[in-house]
Amino acid sequence: NAGVTQTPKFQVLKTGQSMTLQCAQDMNHEYMSWYRQDPGMGLRLIHYSVGAGITDQGEVPNGYNVSRSTTEDFPLRLLSAAPSQTSVYFCASTTDLIDGYTFGSGTRLTVV
Amino acid sequence: AQSVTQPDIHITVSEGASLELRCNYSYGATPYLFWYVQSPGQGLQLLLKYFSGDTLVQGIKGFEAEFKRSQSSFNLRKPSVHWSDAAEYFCAHKTGANNLFFGTGTRLTVIP
Repeated sequence: NAGVTQTPKFQVLKTGQSMTLQCAQDMNHEYMSWYRQDPGMGLRLIHYSVGAGITDQGEVPNGYNVSRSTTEDFPLRLLSAAPSQTSVYFCASTTDLIDGYTFGSGTRLTVV
Repeated sequence: AQSVTQPDIHITVSEGASLELRCNYSYGATPYLFWYVQSPGQGLQLLLKYFSGDTLVQGIKGFEAEFKRSQSSFNLRKPSVHWSDAAEYFCAHKTGANNLFFGTGTRLTVIP
């Protein structure tokens, strides 16, 4: 009964470093998305995928890359971390958006 | 612009008192609307959703929400608040085919 699993839970990066935030779901959901949560701004969509091999940009895609080689996994890559990317990142999945998302527990990222 | 507005940043209620959290949407002939709850350090959990039918929707944890098209509102209510309801609450709106747009959230504090 894992649902949506995100790793790591916490990460500190130096400016310019790269890293990958992992997201995996075991519910056979086609839709997967990455959101970032910042104080006073709610959740903003970074990238999303409607199925394996298909990804698209959301509201705030700059500085992030994604890929979807399998239905289960949807990693988020930061190519060159910047302090503005300090945030809490949530991965979410669903079979259909009208059903709402199932969220992971988040990754708290600090870029110094 | 497509948006969801939560006008109250922070609400404090006494335990046992009633609660109403406001949400207004501004897009969509047939809106798909959601309420999520986020406990500290956790991901978001779906409380309830509306997309058609009865305008009064029942959710988990004793919450309900009423869709009012004339007021473009989807307010969340609970008759008697428990200390465990202290959390942040997000209204969300399905905009277009592939995105849920989240409001900025309302933080609920429950006092004994």
